[in-house]
Amino acid sequence: QSVLTQPPSASGTPGQRVTISCSGSSSNIGSNYVYWYQQLPGTAPQLLIYRNNQRPAGVPDRFSGSKSGTSASLAISGPRSEDEADYYCAAWDDSLSGVVFGGGTKLTVL
Amino acid sequence: EVQLLESGGGLVQPGGSLRLSCAASGFTFSSYTMSWVRQAPGKGLEWVSSISGRGDSTYYADSVKGRFTISRDNPKNTLYLQVNSLRAEDTAVYYCARGVGDFWSGYLPRFDYWGQGTLVTVSS
Repeated sequence: QSVLTQPPSASGTPGQRVTISCSGSSSNIGSNYVYWYQQLPGTAPQLLIYRNNQRPAGVPDRFSGSKSGTSASLAISGPRSEDEADYYCAAWDDSLSGVVFGGGTKLTVL
Repeated sequence: EVQLLESGGGLVQPGGSLRLSCAASGFTFSSYTMSWVRQAPGKGLEWVSSISGRGDSTYYADSVKGRFTISRDNPKNTLYLQVNSLRAEDTAVYYCARGVGDFWSGYLPRFDYWGQGTLVTVSS
């Protein structure tokens, strides 16, 4: 059971906007930055979003992040087939004094 | 080019030990927080431990506290994870990951670069 809660799966077509939620609590998302990672099949994770809504250089602008209260979301506008991957949210947890991850969401592009 | 290369994984019996290494190149190693993150087969990501650039501050997940020790040798540009008293549930791919310069908790979940991982299998 992960500290951060994500839906196990999400799907969408290239013409849609897909959102992946990440639910936490006041000790993690409610008081700290949220980060998002993309893990393509058979590869190491890659940083997708940092500090809630910042994209590292090279990350397409169809990816965006947001945070409100104790929840965060990753949005993908017009997903492509190459975006099929597992997506993870992460944050620092003040109560656990550690980094916590969500359980991951598998994105399927229809 | 930033590169992180893990080694030291393998098959070990329950209760056994291993030392994982992560050789870093392409950046000023001592200026960055480094971490270990693991992933059990078919499962999600789990943070294990982080260490400051100078090596004087560390954090551990509760699941490994007292059994694992993170350390670094800055002149050798190498990160280590000593894993003792291994259990079946420690079976995972262990990734090393580079963080940022500031060892502040809010930044610790930021992992800019990852290695390809080394597999640790705990089984009799």
